[in-house]
Amino acid sequence: GNSVTQMEGPVTLSEEAFLTINCTYTATGYPSLFWYVQYPGEGLQLLLKATKADDKGSNKGFEATYRKETTSFHLEKGSVQVSDSAVYFCALPYSSASKIIFGSGTRLSIRP
Amino acid sequence: DGGITQSPKYLFRKEGQNVTLSCEQNLNHDAMYWYRQDPGQGLRLIYYSQIVNDFQKGDIAEGYSVSREKKESFPLTVTSAQKNPTAFYLCASSIASPNTGELFFGEGSRLTVL
Repeated sequence: GNSVTQMEGPVTLSEEAFLTINCTYTATGYPSLFWYVQYPGEGLQLLLKATKADDKGSNKGFEATYRKETTSFHLEKGSVQVSDSAVYFCALPYSSASKIIFGSGTRLSIRP
Repeated sequence: DGGITQSPKYLFRKEGQNVTLSCEQNLNHDAMYWYRQDPGQGLRLIYYSQIVNDFQKGDIAEGYSVSREKKESFPLTVTSAQKNPTAFYLCASSIASPNTGELFFGEGSRLTVL
């Protein structure tokens, strides 16, 4: 069945640094791929998504490209801010598409 | 505003007691989900429901029960059979297929067993 493997954290960066959080997947076919973000004490919210191969999802300065050759969906941001401190989850649907599975999450902390 | 409301936000329970977590949505979504989140771990699916009066077990359903009598509501009961219930519980909803849509989450309920 489908699965997702995510870079372990925590990740600590200085403000304005470049961010990459790795995510690779195993899937039947080409399901949509998602990045969710969880700010402290809150539920998750969708950050961005890509629905087909070579699509690039983007939001709030974050980007991720759906790469079927490397089965990856890495999250990137060119210049992080303190307000980006959160836990980031890569996700994709189960094979049946009736539910979504999440990676283990990567905690990101940004130093001023 | 449309969204998902979970209550209570914090809950304390003595061992051996059942407790019910509320989840209500006004997004007119067909599908609803319960996830459990433990420190340093990802989300694990407890139960999900794609339609009223129907629900399926997720990966860690033992010690939990749910009902889906109304489209808007999907309460989760943590029973005394759940060996380690202290966790952060998240409810979510989506249009019927999550493959084309997104999950909308509530703010979570933190359960602590004393």
